[in-house]
Amino acid sequence: QVQLVQSGAEVKRPGASLKVSCTASGYTLSSHYIHWVRQAPGQGLEWMGLINPSGGRTTYAQKFQGRVTVTSDTSASSFYMELRSLRSEDTAVYYCARGIVDTAMVTDHWGQGTLVTVSS
Amino acid sequence: QSALTQPAAVSGSPGQSITISCTGTSGDVGKYNLVSWYQQHPGKAPKLMIYEGSKRPAGVSNRFSGSKSGNTASLTISGLQTDDEADYYCCSYAGSDTSVFGGGTKLTVL
Repeated sequence: QVQLVQSGAEVKRPGASLKVSCTASGYTLSSHYIHWVRQAPGQGLEWMGLINPSGGRTTYAQKFQGRVTVTSDTSASSFYMELRSLRSEDTAVYYCARGIVDTAMVTDHWGQGTLVTVSS
Repeated sequence: QSALTQPAAVSGSPGQSITISCTGTSGDVGKYNLVSWYQQHPGKAPKLMIYEGSKRPAGVSNRFSGSKSGNTASLTISGLQTDDEADYYCCSYAGSDTSVFGGGTKLTVL
């Protein structure tokens, strides 16, 4: 069965960098884009970006341009989202999700989420 | 890439129908037939309920339906059940491989 398993919760200092991993199994990785979405405490969902596992092409939301990098390691069936220059407003649960309709944010399986707390 | 506009909250009684609106622009909701709807229970990951405006994934009840008119998409839930109480988010493709979410709507089943 399709599974996306994310790395564990992290606490970061302001100004630091974060790297969340998402390990996929149960399907052909090259056939589905991976999206990254975050949700601040008590807030809504926010689309961050995506990666095409076949070739590694990425697209990011304008808000995160220059601060986020999404990569893949197909040999490890894993995807990574790195966010730099962290600030308190980056405290959120970060999700990876498998896309099913080309590059649109239509996702049928999600990781369990990774809670990131940014605090001094 | 401004967030789509949803009502903050809607409510209904068991058995009733409710509709949640999602208003975007001619550059996202109005331009593409790629609006999806997600249901999120507290502490859980979102679940896809509707995609491409009106399609239901396997396993999603036919009590959930989607539609679109102009720049506004809508999610209708008929025959409300207590388990439908959750947050609902719309999401639209916005071009250039980007997508945008709505602010979310809290559904209360009274």
